[in-house]
Amino acid sequence: DAGVIQSPRHEVTEMGQEVTLRCKPISGHDYLFWYRQTMMRGLELLIYFNNNVPIDDSGMPEDRFSAKMPNASFSTLKIQPSEPRDSAVYFCASSFGLADLFSYNEQFFGPGTRLTVL
Amino acid sequence: AQTVTQSQPEMSVQEAETVTLSCTYDTSENNYYLFWYKQPPSRQMILVIRQEAYKQQNATENRFSVNFQKAAKSFSLKISDSQLGDTAMYFCAFPDNAGGTSYGKLTFGQGTILTVHP
Repeated sequence: DAGVIQSPRHEVTEMGQEVTLRCKPISGHDYLFWYRQTMMRGLELLIYFNNNVPIDDSGMPEDRFSAKMPNASFSTLKIQPSEPRDSAVYFCASSFGLADLFSYNEQFFGPGTRLTVL
Repeated sequence: AQTVTQSQPEMSVQEAETVTLSCTYDTSENNYYLFWYKQPPSRQMILVIRQEAYKQQNATENRFSVNFQKAAKSFSLKISDSQLGDTAMYFCAFPDNAGGTSYGKLTFGQGTILTVHP
């Protein structure tokens, strides 16, 4: 398996523009996570999906951010309009669901998208 | 809410020596998991090791082992025989919904930058 695939790897855009980040999870995984990493705030979970349904979006910073998962093999994170403070590395991760109450399945991370908003 | 604290922003070690990275956490749960992730300069997040709180025995993965002190809520990572490829940022992580049946979000510590010197 190719692992979690993210595109683009780097994105440079101007303030006010729409940005769309893409993720293809590992085939068969039923959980998908979007994270943001910055020097100031570290790694933050933005939103996660189970079987394509958003479960918790409490980490989404504001209404400018939206995420979708139209099918099991694709998800997008959109920022509209983008602002300089959105500059960060955005990670997508996927995993299998829980096997039982006392199991936890590893999250596999993609390589990340480095976003720069000028 | 659970918190995860890594008090060592940076550490360095000579090749072949042993180094220990610290992590403390706060939770009211009794059954949970703890993780150490590695992020090398490539940015890829890689799971290094995980520990189940209900297990007495400390987890070990080759040169990596943990010292889990449940009562003290401490979870340190020991790297033996350090190699140049161990140079990376290391994150301690903890699931937010650790005690329930719902799949947990991961809360990450601030990270420790480890440099292995030849």
